[in-house]
Amino acid sequence: AQTVTQSQPEMSVQEAETVTLSCTYDTSESDYYLFWYKQPPSRQMILVIRQEAYKQQNATENRFSVNFQKAAKSFSLKISDSQLGDAAMYFCAYRDRTTSGTYKYIFGTGTRLKVLA
Amino acid sequence: NAGVTQTPKFQVLKTGQSMTLQCAQDMNHEYMSWYRQDPGMGLRLIHYSVGAGITDQGEVPNGYNVSRSTTEDFPLRLLSAAPSQTSVYFCASSYRGVRETQYFGPGTRLLVL
Repeated sequence: AQTVTQSQPEMSVQEAETVTLSCTYDTSESDYYLFWYKQPPSRQMILVIRQEAYKQQNATENRFSVNFQKAAKSFSLKISDSQLGDAAMYFCAYRDRTTSGTYKYIFGTGTRLKVLA
Repeated sequence: NAGVTQTPKFQVLKTGQSMTLQCAQDMNHEYMSWYRQDPGMGLRLIHYSVGAGITDQGEVPNGYNVSRSTTEDFPLRLLSAAPSQTSVYFCASSYRGVRETQYFGPGTRLLVL
């Protein structure tokens, strides 16, 4: 079964600094999607960035970028110029195609990011 | 567009009671799903649906029923609530295409005493 592992329960970063959140996954598939979601105290789940496995180029969205290492099954999120509003729980997720042709998401346990002023 | 809506926002149940968590979306999304979020466990998939009349089990389906009679609605039923079902429940939806992004509702916090 596919799994997603986030080994850092909590991370801290100084405002304006850079932080990297780790995620590893296990799969035998070659075609899949990976996501990072942000969950602020409001509990709303917000998509931060996504990566298609067949693309070698790492995805970027403004201050957010990923380091996708397909062979190592690693998908880390880098947040540059951290802001107080980045403080949240961050979830890594993997989208798997089922045998019936549909798909389902598998989430990691999350990393709580604290941003220090 | 209201997006994905969930009702109620918060509910307290006694053990053995039944209830239905409502989820609706107005984006004509084929794919809808239910997750539960527990501390230290991330989000775990309960049930999902790829269209009206089609549902399937996720990772933790026991104790929950779903049905999908319309594209817009995907209710989650707890037939006999147990304290282990105390959690925050999220509904999500997306278009069916493999490139599509999943949108989440605001969540329902459920406490079973």
